Amino acid sequence: KQEVTQIPAALSVPEGENLVLNCSFTDSAIYNLQWFRQDPGKGLTSLLLIQSSQREQTSGRLNASLDKSSGRSTLYIAASQPGDSATYLCAVTGANNLFFGTGTRLTVIP
Amino acid sequence: DGGITQSPKYLFRKEGQNVTLSCEQNLNHDAMYWYRQDPGQGLRLIYYSQIVNDFQKGDIAEGYSVSREKKESFPLTVTSAQKNPTAFYLCASSIGYRGQGELFFGEGSRLTVL
Repeated sequence: KQEVTQIPAALSVPEGENLVLNCSFTDSAIYNLQWFRQDPGKGLTSLLLIQSSQREQTSGRLNASLDKSSGRSTLYIAASQPGDSATYLCAVTGANNLFFGTGTRLTVIP
Repeated sequence: DGGITQSPKYLFRKEGQNVTLSCEQNLNHDAMYWYRQDPGQGLRLIYYSQIVNDFQKGDIAEGYSVSREKKESFPLTVTSAQKNPTAFYLCASSIGYRGQGELFFGEGSRLTVL
């Protein structure tokens, strides 16, 4: 069964710093990988979707990469802002299901 | 604007009562999903539907029921058979099933059993 891991579970950084969030998965036979943001008590907001044939996607200050062979994805956030504080989740779509990590809670300190 | 609307946002239930959570989407998506989120755990799939009048059990379907009579609507009923129903429930949709397209979520419904 696919397992998705996000380490660390929590991360605090000062405003303006560039940072990387990690997502690893055990089965490389995936269709796509999606990064989400979740604010407390809210639903998930889609940030980036990477198809299995792609290596990266960019949206504004966000860049997500995918390395299927090593079972890894990273979400790079440039010039972090306090408004980026949230929990970030990755999800991997396989043949039989969609698997979520438990997320990384990011705090950007002004 | 297109999106997914869940209601109610907060719901309180007495033990032994059934409750229904509403999920409506105007994205013209074929596939819809219900997830449960508990603190410290990843999202877990309850039920999903690939098309109208069809739905399948997910990983934790026991104690839940759904219907898909219209493309835009996928209500979830939490029955009295669900042993631990207090949780945050999220509805989602996508153009196609699973690997086909981006997954979009509603704002969630928080159910508390008194």
